[in-house]
Amino acid sequence: EAQVTQNPRYLITVTGKKLTVTCSQNMNHEYMSWYRQDPGLGLRQIYYSMNVEVTDKGDVPEGYKVSRKEKRNFPLILESPSPNQTSLYFCASSTGTGDYGYTFGSGTRLTVV
Amino acid sequence: QKEVEQDPGPLSVPEGAIVSLNCTYSNSAFQYFMWYRQYSRKGPELLMYTYSSGNKEDGRFTAQVDKSSKYISLFIRDSQPSDSATYLCAIVTPGAGSYQLTFGKGTKLSVIP
Repeated sequence: EAQVTQNPRYLITVTGKKLTVTCSQNMNHEYMSWYRQDPGLGLRQIYYSMNVEVTDKGDVPEGYKVSRKEKRNFPLILESPSPNQTSLYFCASSTGTGDYGYTFGSGTRLTVV
Repeated sequence: QKEVEQDPGPLSVPEGAIVSLNCTYSNSAFQYFMWYRQYSRKGPELLMYTYSSGNKEDGRFTAQVDKSSKYISLFIRDSQPSDSATYLCAIVTPGAGSYQLTFGKGTKLSVIP
């Protein structure tokens, strides 16, 4: 089944403790992206990647890192999480050309206390 | 003015009603228009996609784009309780080797049996 898989689905952590949210897609998509979704603010792009080793900032990149060492994986790294990063996070992938539609993962609900 | 405006609702309609969901946008460079549906605790899923002015139909769903007014709509005929979800418009601006996807904040729809 074509899908984007995120792990974990739920995570509670403490301020300052480094964490990684994994994302993997099995559709051979070139384009991958991370979004956060907050009430009243909608979906906001954190980082995106057009291909292996090519990443760029989205609208809200502060406090986040990403890497794209393999085409299928695009982990999101929070080096020192803070409470304002409590949010619902989505990874998404797309072919990047022609059809611009994204396939989204099921989301990771992160709480930073 | 925000790039994509969408009334957050909530919108509550009786089963069988015709639903109209709308977005306005400000950037005339936007070229591709999508509607996503997001069920509670799930990732958004692509519902419809169009790049031209006019109507596009898919079953009970019709997407309408008016580029002269910078206005896009999604109509749902014979609405069902299973249509209860948040609907997000998304607009694409292609760029050199990449593209930017801008989401509306979403309209929450409830279809009452």
